Amino acid sequence: DAGVTQSPTHLIKTRGQQVTLRCSPKSGHDTVSWYQQALGQGPQFIFQYYEEEERQRGNFPDRFSGHQFPNYSSELNVNALLLGDSALYLCASSFAQGGTQYFGPGTRLLVL
Amino acid sequence: EDQVTQSPEALRLQEGESSSLNCSYTVSGLRGLFWYRQDPGKGPEFLFTLYSAGEEKEKERLKATLTKKESFLHITAPKPEDSATYLCAVRHIKETSGSRLTFGEGTQLTVNP
Repeated sequence: DAGVTQSPTHLIKTRGQQVTLRCSPKSGHDTVSWYQQALGQGPQFIFQYYEEEERQRGNFPDRFSGHQFPNYSSELNVNALLLGDSALYLCASSFAQGGTQYFGPGTRLLVL
Repeated sequence: EDQVTQSPEALRLQEGESSSLNCSYTVSGLRGLFWYRQDPGKGPEFLFTLYSAGEEKEKERLKATLTKKESFLHITAPKPEDSATYLCAVRHIKETSGSRLTFGEGTQLTVNP
């Protein structure tokens, strides 16, 4: 049984560029949450998708947007990249919004 | 606003030396306290969920406990492979929708052989 998968594993971008990160949830899960983890910090909640809609959002600017597809997979888009966007981006999936969240391996984004 | 504070920030133990990690929280309407283990460069791995004061969960050398204000992760006779960052998170289910996790900064545990 495949767990949560994310792609790509690593990414290098320059300031001002745009990036798209992808997540496939664990089999049987229908809810996807995204988190940003800076080095040495705990993960920070970006937003959560359920039934293809954004259900809850953390304290992140509109440059961060997302999408959930009918097969429950999800994308995180970040526009106009800043140096401070460099972090590990984590996707977590759960069965329904109240289920235990299981994390993927993350995408390491470096903005130069 | 939900707040989670973990202590200590870092802990170094000798193999076999038992200890505890602390997670104190302030949240309105707690709907679960979670412990995760994170190895360097990887995603957090789920360990336990606790829902009510007095609840305890165990897994191998780890035992998690919960009170109304804090949770402890007790590590009994740790081994070097227990070295990792341990993250605590709380969930507050809003009345409308969504169930974000609010994480602490983590405790970095190193177990020396």
